[in-house]
Amino acid sequence: ETGVTQSPTHLIKTRGQQVTLRCSSQSGHNTVSWYQQALGQGPQFIFQYYREEENGRGNFPPRFSGLQFPNYSSELNVNALELDDSALYLCASSFPLAGNTGELFFGEGSRLTVL
Amino acid sequence: AQSVTQLGSHVSVSEGALVLLRCNYSSSVPPYLFWYVQYPNQGLQLLLKYTTGATLVKGINGFEAEFKKSETSFHLTKPSAHMSDAAEYFCAVLSGAGSYQLTFGKGTKLSVIP
Repeated sequence: ETGVTQSPTHLIKTRGQQVTLRCSSQSGHNTVSWYQQALGQGPQFIFQYYREEENGRGNFPPRFSGLQFPNYSSELNVNALELDDSALYLCASSFPLAGNTGELFFGEGSRLTVL
Repeated sequence: AQSVTQLGSHVSVSEGALVLLRCNYSSSVPPYLFWYVQYPNQGLQLLLKYTTGATLVKGINGFEAEFKKSETSFHLTKPSAHMSDAAEYFCAVLSGAGSYQLTFGKGTKLSVIP
């Protein structure tokens, strides 16, 4: 069984640029969530995708956007990067919503540095 | 809205000593509660979860947590710390009606002294 994989693992961007992060969900999982973890903080919910539709969003501006593909993989896009966007971005997949009790399976994250 | 407070951003224990990491939650509905562990440069791994039923929950690596509704607490314990337990620990509550999101605390970094 393949776990959640994320790419790239590390990247450096400059202010104003755009970035795309990618995530492959664990086999059998059709729900993908993205979290931002700033240094020294707990993860914060960005949004969740279920059956290719956004299914909940945290307190993040519209320049944070996402996609989910038919194979359940997902992308997180961030436009007009700001210094405060520097963080570890975590993707998590889970079983179908019905009957789900909250367990998320996390990837190892993509560490974004904005200069 | 749900929220989680973890008391103590850093806890140090001696190897073999009791580990106690504190978590208090706020929830307007019966909570689903979780503890996750994060090793350096890694993602989060589920330690244990409380949904319904028995209030004492056992997890992996010898950890357990007790749900106390009257105290709105879900503290994590382990009778005897091991060097490999050194990591950051996050308490979380399930939130978001209709969607499915976890609200995390700020984390507690556990150091184990040989």
